[in-house]
Amino acid sequence: DVKVTQSSRYLVKRTGEKVFLECVQDMDHENMFWYRQDPGLGLRLIYFSYDVKMKEKGDIPEGYSVSREKKERFSLILESASTNQTSMYLCASSWTNVGTEAFFGQGTRLTVV
Amino acid sequence: QKEVEQDPGPLSVPEGAIVSLNCTYSNSAFQYFMWYRQYSRKGPELLMYTYSSGNKEDGRFTAQVDKSSKYISLFIRDSQPSDSATYLCAMSWGAQKLVFGQGTRLTINP
Repeated sequence: DVKVTQSSRYLVKRTGEKVFLECVQDMDHENMFWYRQDPGLGLRLIYFSYDVKMKEKGDIPEGYSVSREKKERFSLILESASTNQTSMYLCASSWTNVGTEAFFGQGTRLTVV
Repeated sequence: QKEVEQDPGPLSVPEGAIVSLNCTYSNSAFQYFMWYRQYSRKGPELLMYTYSSGNKEDGRFTAQVDKSSKYISLFIRDSQPSDSATYLCAMSWGAQKLVFGQGTRLTINP
């Protein structure tokens, strides 16, 4: 079974802190994604990566950065956390084949106070 | 206009009912259509996957795609309380990125 593991289920951080969210997948997937999920807005793509050290902006990259130094690991960084970044963050991975489905982690509920 | 529109509900039906969940989309290039199920405080999991138009059945679940109308549906027969979850439609045009609907929150009442 594909496994996508996010390092934390719940996080509480203070405004202005630098926050790291980690994601690891064990299926040798080329693609990895970070989404945030908010009520009424659905899943919105923050960043994705199709190879090691490669990244592309998604729909809402402002205030975020990412790092992919190894194929299995994709990190989301909140440079200076703000209260409007309180959300559920979901990591996903997929093969590079056209039309392939994405496999999701269990999510990290981040609260910025 | 959003690329993918999905009624967020909530939708509440009695156990045993047939449930119909729907999404409309605007991008005629979409070729791959998926339904994900997300239980509370969990990540989404793939439920159904369809390429192009047509129907696909898996147990109590049927996915339909009508590309001419830009409309996809998920039917759940003999619904069970364990089907209570948020259902998200997702689609892509061949690139790796998926475009998601808002999700419909479904409750099946015993």
